[in-house]
Amino acid sequence: GAVVSQHPSWVICKSGTSVKIECRSLDFQATTMFWYRQFPKQSLMLMATSNEGSKATYEQGVEKDKFLINHASLTLSTLTVTSAHPEDSSFYICSPREGAAETQYFGPGTRLLVL
Amino acid sequence: AQSVTQLDSQVPVFEEAPVELRCNYSSSVSVYLFWYVQYPNQGLQLLLKYLSGSTLVKGINGFEAEFNKSQTSFHLRKPSVHISDTAEYFCAVSYTGFQKLVFGTGTRLLVSP
Repeated sequence: GAVVSQHPSWVICKSGTSVKIECRSLDFQATTMFWYRQFPKQSLMLMATSNEGSKATYEQGVEKDKFLINHASLTLSTLTVTSAHPEDSSFYICSPREGAAETQYFGPGTRLLVL
Repeated sequence: AQSVTQLDSQVPVFEEAPVELRCNYSSSVSVYLFWYVQYPNQGLQLLLKYLSGSTLVKGINGFEAEFNKSQTSFHLRKPSVHISDTAEYFCAVSYTGFQKLVFGTGTRLLVSP
């Protein structure tokens, strides 16, 4: 199967700071990237969808100025949580997809704790 | 509205017993169906998928699922579970071809010795 990495795997930060999460597709080209967040014992909620070289499309209720997504290359996408607050604490998972492929692969996730 | 329902939030079973995890989705003309497994503090791993063809789909780790269009269901089954199958299982549906997935709320499978 496809290999997807996320870095860091976990991060603890102070309220008000910004945190950048990297997602890499190691053996395929991610033309589309989905970013999800998952609260404890809950399902995955789609935050935004981005196509390489284009601006991300955000789901309703997700602040685009708070969750900055960059998808500048076919193998790397980043999610930056700006001015993080405790309510942003969550498990963030990226999901790249190659072209029109029917399967989405998922990164191992990044656990963010904002104090 | 597009929705996926996993009625059971938690399913406890004994090792070597059979198990069925239920998934129902809101009806649509064309859907693609997926089951993913998530182990603690990890991302999601694809178990199996239905795109077209045979309604009985076999996946990894001995799991299988059956697409039932009239019931709008895609239940996951395994004839004999192992301790290592303990995990969270998510059903997901793609309503618009291969566009974004809609996830169910997940079912935690707890396998006891």
